[in-house]
Parts: sequence; C-alpha cells; structure tokens
Amino acid sequence: DAGITQSPRHKVTETGTPVTLRCHQTENHRYMYWYRQDPGHGLRLIHYSYGVKDTDKGEVSDGYSVSRSKTEDFLLTLESATSSQTSVYFCAISTTTGELFFGEGSRLTVL
Amino acid sequence: GENVEQHPSTLSVQEGDSAVIKCTYSDSASNYFPWYKQELGKRPQLIIDIRSNVGEKKDQRIAVTLNKTAKHFSLHITETQPEDSAVYFCAASIQGAQKLVFGQGTRLTINP
Repeated sequence: DAGITQSPRHKVTETGTPVTLRCHQTENHRYMYWYRQDPGHGLRLIHYSYGVKDTDKGEVSDGYSVSRSKTEDFLLTLESATSSQTSVYFCAISTTTGELFFGEGSRLTVL
Repeated sequence: GENVEQHPSTLSVQEGDSAVIKCTYSDSASNYFPWYKQELGKRPQLIIDIRSNVGEKKDQRIAVTLNKTAKHFSLHITETQPEDSAVYFCAASIQGAQKLVFGQGTRLTINP
C-alpha cells in the first residue's frame, strides 16, 4: 500500500461546511497528489505537491485548497462544501520513476 | 494540455477469451504510460506500465503495446478469468511534470 493512509474514510456533511481530508505517508516520498473519482470522468487531478510548502493546481482545483507543512502529510480542504464535491477522493504518491500509488480513498457526501 | 481518450467504456467477454482496451493521447512528449486496475470499492492499482523507448511489454497474461507515431497504446489481457472483472484506467505522463492524466475508464466484465 506504499504506506499511505487517508482519513476520514467516509464523511457526510452539509452544504456550506468546511471539510478537510488528510493523507499521511510513511515513506518520505516527495510527490503527493489529490485526485477525485466520479463516474464517467475517471480520475481527475485536484492539486499536487512536489515538496514541503510546494503545491500546484491540477485540472479541477476550483473550490479546493491544499497544504503540506510536513513531508508526510498532505491536506485537502473544501472551504465551503457543495453538492458537486460529492465524490471519492484518492490521495497518491509518486515514486522517483513516476509510478503512482493510491491510498484507499475517502468517500465524501455533501447533502 | 494532455488529453487521454479511452475506449470502450464497457467491455464484456467470455471467460478464456482475450480483451483489448485502447487509449489515445495528445501530447507527443508524453513518455510514460501506466495501466491501473480498480476492483469494486478498492483503490486503483498499477498492473503494468510502458515507457516510450519500448514498443511492447508483457507480464504473464497481460501486455501493453505502444505506438508513439500514432499516439496510442493498448492493454491486452489473454485467457481472461473472472478475477479480471474490474475497471481499467490508462494514463499518460505530462511532459515536464511528474503528473499523470487518466482516461475515463473501461468496465470489463468476464462472463463465465
């Protein structure tokens, strides 16, 4: 599992509330990613990080922010959750040769 | 930016037959092409990958072929088994960045 854990694994929240998802890795990988998975859309990149305090936007970054204050933790925040953000969120790390390994996923439902 | 198209979206084959899933990409500078398998309720897992300096790679019953001129690559599964039923995703690297763009996925069903 490449030492990746996500929390929470399941969350139900209401529209307008803030939500933070946490990704924790134990193998000191430089690159970390947040993807969302929706039917018919595959896996779409939200944000990624290439080091502590170094982050960049992906293809669907609107409404999301990220932070990486330590190598092992990459946080995804929805400042004000909307129903369109109901999804399964996957954290991933990349090895030095480019292989991507995913966490177990976090299922978020916004009512 | 990079765009990856994957076909078909669903595929149903008889157990023992072969399955082929195809992907095209737009960025000629892409040089890494992995395939992921996702079982129901599980995370996507890397099953095979290919880099632009080779045309084909095999691992037991699965193989991937790459045609850089035409900008397409394919996953081939032979002697399919019920445990091959899953959603498969292709991906392509983004030039100059350690990022992947994924196709939309193919739901493969193996019929006994």
